[in-house]
Amino acid sequence: ETGVTQTPRHLVMGMTNKKSLKCEQHLGHNAMYWYKQSAKKPLELMFVYNFKEQTENNSVPSRFSPECPNSSHLFLHLHTLQPEDSALYLCASSPGQGNYQPQHFGDGTRLSIL
Amino acid sequence: SQQGEEDPQALSIQEGENATMNCSYKTSINNLQWYRQNSGRGLVHLILIRSNEREKHRGRLRVTLDTSKKSSSLLITASRAADTASYFCATAREGAGGTSYGKLTFGQGTILTVHP
Repeated sequence: ETGVTQTPRHLVMGMTNKKSLKCEQHLGHNAMYWYKQSAKKPLELMFVYNFKEQTENNSVPSRFSPECPNSSHLFLHLHTLQPEDSALYLCASSPGQGNYQPQHFGDGTRLSIL
Repeated sequence: SQQGEEDPQALSIQEGENATMNCSYKTSINNLQWYRQNSGRGLVHLILIRSNEREKHRGRLRVTLDTSKKSSSLLITASRAADTASYFCATAREGAGGTSYGKLTFGQGTILTVHP
Protein backbone atom coordinates (compact mmCIF):
# COMPACT_ATOMS: atom_id res chain seq x y z
CA GLU A 1 0.00 0.00 0.00
CA THR A 2 1.74 3.15 -1.23
CA GLY A 3 -0.95 5.64 -0.23
CA VAL A 4 -1.62 6.45 -3.89
CA THR A 5 -4.57 4.65 -5.47
CA GLN A 6 -5.26 4.56 -9.19
CA THR A 7 -8.44 3.37 -10.87
CA PRO A 8 -9.13 1.54 -13.02
CA ARG A 9 -6.12 -0.79 -13.07
CA HIS A 10 -6.85 -1.82 -16.65
CA LEU A 11 -8.72 -0.01 -19.40
CA VAL A 12 -9.43 -1.02 -22.97
CA MET A 13 -11.01 1.62 -25.17
CA GLY A 14 -11.64 2.42 -28.77
CA MET A 15 -10.12 5.42 -30.47
CA THR A 16 -13.41 7.35 -30.37
CA ASN A 17 -14.26 6.67 -26.72
CA LYS A 18 -14.01 9.09 -23.84
CA LYS A 19 -12.77 7.79 -20.50
CA SER A 20 -11.11 9.11 -17.37
CA LEU A 21 -8.32 7.84 -15.16
CA LYS A 22 -8.50 8.60 -11.46
CA CYS A 23 -5.78 9.03 -8.88
CA GLU A 24 -6.25 9.59 -5.16
CA GLN A 25 -3.54 10.07 -2.56
CA HIS A 26 -3.96 9.64 1.19
CA LEU A 27 -0.58 11.05 2.17
CA GLY A 28 -1.44 14.71 2.66
CA HIS A 29 0.81 15.68 -0.23
CA ASN A 30 0.45 18.89 -2.21
CA ALA A 31 2.05 17.96 -5.53
CA MET A 32 0.71 15.36 -7.98
CA TYR A 33 2.07 14.05 -11.24
CA TRP A 34 1.01 12.08 -14.31
CA TYR A 35 3.60 9.93 -16.07
CA LYS A 36 3.42 7.71 -19.17
CA GLN A 37 5.43 4.48 -19.22
CA SER A 38 5.77 2.82 -22.60
CA ALA A 39 7.72 -0.31 -23.43
CA LYS A 40 11.35 0.34 -24.30
CA LYS A 41 11.11 4.04 -23.37
CA PRO A 42 11.97 5.99 -20.23
CA LEU A 43 9.20 7.17 -17.95
CA GLU A 44 7.80 10.40 -19.41
CA LEU A 45 6.51 13.21 -17.23
CA MET A 46 3.21 14.52 -18.59
CA PHE A 47 1.72 16.97 -16.08
CA VAL A 48 2.53 18.40 -12.68
CA TYR A 49 0.12 20.01 -10.24
CA ASN A 50 1.17 21.87 -7.11
CA PHE A 51 -1.54 22.99 -4.68
CA LYS A 52 -4.13 22.27 -7.41
CA GLU A 53 -2.43 24.52 -9.93
CA GLN A 54 -0.88 23.08 -13.08
CA THR A 55 2.80 23.93 -13.12
CA GLU A 56 4.00 21.69 -15.92
CA ASN A 57 2.61 20.48 -19.22
CA ASN A 58 5.32 18.54 -20.99
CA SER A 59 4.01 19.20 -24.51
CA VAL A 60 1.25 16.63 -24.07
CA PRO A 61 -1.33 16.35 -26.92
CA SER A 62 -4.66 17.95 -26.16
CA ARG A 63 -6.42 14.57 -26.32
CA PHE A 64 -5.11 14.19 -22.75
CA SER A 65 -6.82 16.62 -20.39
CA PRO A 66 -5.82 16.68 -16.72
CA GLU A 67 -7.95 17.90 -13.84
CA CYS A 68 -6.99 18.47 -10.22
CA PRO A 69 -10.03 19.48 -8.14
CA ASN A 70 -8.08 19.32 -4.87
CA SER A 71 -4.67 18.26 -3.61
CA SER A 72 -5.84 14.68 -3.02
CA HIS A 73 -7.38 13.91 -6.40
CA LEU A 74 -6.07 13.95 -9.93
CA PHE A 75 -7.83 12.92 -13.10
CA LEU A 76 -6.71 12.33 -16.65
CA HIS A 77 -9.51 12.69 -19.17
CA LEU A 78 -8.97 10.83 -22.42
CA HIS A 79 -10.62 11.35 -25.78
CA THR A 80 -9.90 10.40 -29.36
CA LEU A 81 -6.76 8.51 -28.42
CA GLN A 82 -4.32 6.91 -30.84
CA PRO A 83 -2.85 3.38 -30.75
CA GLU A 84 0.52 4.82 -29.68
CA ASP A 85 -1.16 6.06 -26.51
CA SER A 86 -1.34 2.49 -25.24
CA ALA A 87 0.88 2.45 -22.15
CA LEU A 88 0.97 2.29 -18.38
CA TYR A 89 -0.14 5.62 -16.89
CA LEU A 90 1.31 6.29 -13.48
CA CYS A 91 0.24 8.85 -10.94
CA ALA A 92 2.61 10.08 -8.24
CA SER A 93 2.54 12.53 -5.38
CA SER A 94 5.10 14.31 -3.23
CA PRO A 95 4.90 16.58 -0.18
CA GLY A 96 5.58 19.59 -2.37
CA GLN A 97 7.12 20.40 -5.69
CA GLY A 98 10.50 21.39 -4.46
CA ASN A 99 13.89 20.22 -3.36
CA TYR A 100 14.52 16.67 -2.24
CA GLN A 101 10.98 15.43 -2.69
CA PRO A 102 10.82 11.67 -3.31
CA GLN A 103 7.72 10.76 -5.23
CA HIS A 104 5.18 8.13 -4.20
CA PHE A 105 3.65 6.21 -7.08
CA GLY A 106 0.40 4.39 -7.59
CA ASP A 107 0.31 1.03 -9.37
CA GLY A 108 -0.86 2.59 -12.61
CA THR A 109 -3.59 2.12 -15.16
CA ARG A 110 -2.72 -0.18 -18.05
CA LEU A 111 -4.38 1.46 -21.06
CA SER A 112 -4.94 -0.35 -24.34
CA ILE A 113 -6.27 1.49 -27.38
CA LEU A 114 -8.00 -0.68 -29.97
CA SER B 1 23.25 8.87 -24.06
CA GLN B 2 20.03 10.05 -22.49
CA GLN B 3 19.73 11.81 -19.15
CA GLY B 4 19.60 9.14 -16.46
CA GLU B 5 20.73 6.20 -18.58
CA GLU B 6 21.26 2.95 -16.71
CA ASP B 7 23.78 0.25 -17.41
CA PRO B 8 23.50 -2.68 -17.81
CA GLN B 9 20.03 -2.99 -19.33
CA ALA B 10 19.64 -6.43 -17.76
CA LEU B 11 21.47 -8.24 -14.97
CA SER B 12 21.03 -11.85 -13.88
CA ILE B 13 22.66 -13.11 -10.68
CA GLN B 14 22.34 -15.80 -8.02
CA GLU B 15 20.89 -15.19 -4.61
CA GLY B 16 23.56 -13.99 -2.21
CA GLU B 17 25.62 -12.22 -4.86
CA ASN B 18 25.99 -8.47 -5.09
CA ALA B 19 24.32 -6.48 -7.87
CA THR B 20 25.74 -3.24 -9.22
CA MET B 21 23.84 -0.91 -11.52
CA ASN B 22 25.18 2.28 -13.03
CA CYS B 23 23.54 5.49 -14.12
CA SER B 24 24.96 8.28 -16.26
CA TYR B 25 23.47 11.69 -16.84
CA LYS B 26 24.31 14.82 -18.81
CA THR B 27 23.22 17.99 -17.04
CA SER B 28 23.93 19.50 -13.64
CA ILE B 29 21.73 18.00 -10.98
CA ASN B 30 20.28 18.94 -7.64
CA ASN B 31 19.89 15.33 -6.55
CA LEU B 32 19.68 11.81 -7.94
CA GLN B 33 17.16 9.22 -6.85
CA TRP B 34 16.85 5.48 -7.33
CA TYR B 35 13.52 3.72 -7.66
CA ARG B 36 12.46 0.08 -7.90
CA GLN B 37 9.53 -1.25 -9.91
CA ASN B 38 8.17 -4.75 -9.48
CA SER B 39 6.34 -6.26 -12.42
CA GLY B 40 2.86 -4.78 -12.80
CA ARG B 41 3.34 -2.29 -9.97
CA GLY B 42 4.29 1.34 -9.53
CA LEU B 43 7.70 2.72 -8.68
CA VAL B 44 8.97 2.67 -5.13
CA HIS B 45 11.50 5.25 -3.94
CA LEU B 46 14.68 3.64 -2.61
CA ILE B 47 17.21 6.35 -1.88
CA LEU B 48 18.06 9.95 -2.67
CA ILE B 49 21.57 11.36 -2.86
CA ARG B 50 22.22 15.08 -3.03
CA SER B 51 24.71 16.63 -5.42
CA ASN B 52 27.06 17.48 -2.53
CA GLU B 53 27.06 13.90 -1.21
CA ARG B 54 29.36 11.15 -2.47
CA GLU B 55 27.97 8.03 -0.83
CA LYS B 56 24.84 6.98 0.97
CA HIS B 57 23.68 3.74 2.61
CA ARG B 58 20.29 2.31 3.40
CA GLY B 59 20.18 -1.25 4.65
CA ARG B 60 21.64 -3.45 1.88
CA LEU B 61 21.72 -0.52 -0.56
CA ARG B 62 24.76 1.60 -1.24
CA VAL B 63 24.62 4.53 -3.64
CA THR B 64 27.57 6.53 -4.88
CA LEU B 65 27.58 9.75 -6.84
CA ASP B 66 30.43 11.20 -8.88
CA THR B 67 29.36 14.60 -10.17
CA SER B 68 32.64 15.09 -12.04
CA LYS B 69 31.85 12.02 -14.13
CA LYS B 70 28.10 12.62 -14.03
CA SER B 71 27.50 9.09 -12.86
CA SER B 72 25.99 7.13 -10.00
CA SER B 73 25.95 3.51 -8.97
CA LEU B 74 23.54 1.42 -6.93
CA LEU B 75 24.93 -1.60 -5.13
CA ILE B 76 22.62 -4.20 -3.63
CA THR B 77 24.53 -6.52 -1.33
CA ALA B 78 23.59 -10.12 -0.52
CA SER B 79 20.78 -10.09 -3.05
CA ARG B 80 17.54 -12.00 -2.54
CA ALA B 81 14.99 -13.36 -4.98
CA ALA B 82 12.63 -10.63 -3.75
CA ASP B 83 15.05 -8.02 -5.16
CA THR B 84 14.01 -9.11 -8.68
CA ALA B 85 12.65 -5.93 -10.25
CA SER B 86 13.48 -3.05 -12.58
CA TYR B 87 15.65 -0.32 -11.10
CA PHE B 88 15.56 3.27 -12.33
CA CYS B 89 17.66 6.29 -11.61
CA ALA B 90 16.04 9.69 -11.79
CA THR B 91 17.71 13.06 -11.80
CA ALA B 92 16.36 16.32 -10.48
CA ARG B 93 17.94 19.12 -12.43
CA GLU B 94 19.42 22.19 -10.88
CA GLY B 95 16.97 25.03 -11.40
CA ALA B 96 16.84 28.75 -10.77
CA GLY B 97 17.70 29.53 -7.18
CA GLY B 98 18.94 26.00 -6.58
CA THR B 99 15.52 24.38 -6.45
CA SER B 100 14.63 21.25 -8.40
CA TYR B 101 10.91 21.94 -8.82
CA GLY B 102 10.14 18.23 -8.51
CA LYS B 103 10.77 17.46 -12.17
CA LEU B 104 12.46 14.10 -12.40
CA THR B 105 14.01 12.66 -15.53
CA PHE B 106 14.10 8.88 -15.54
CA GLY B 107 16.34 6.46 -17.36
CA GLN B 108 15.16 3.29 -19.09
CA GLY B 109 16.11 1.13 -16.15
CA THR B 110 18.03 -2.04 -15.35
CA ILE B 111 16.10 -5.28 -15.14
CA LEU B 112 17.53 -7.30 -12.26
CA THR B 113 16.78 -11.01 -11.95
CA VAL B 114 17.93 -12.80 -8.82
CA HIS B 115 17.76 -16.59 -9.07
CA PRO B 116 17.07 -18.57 -5.88
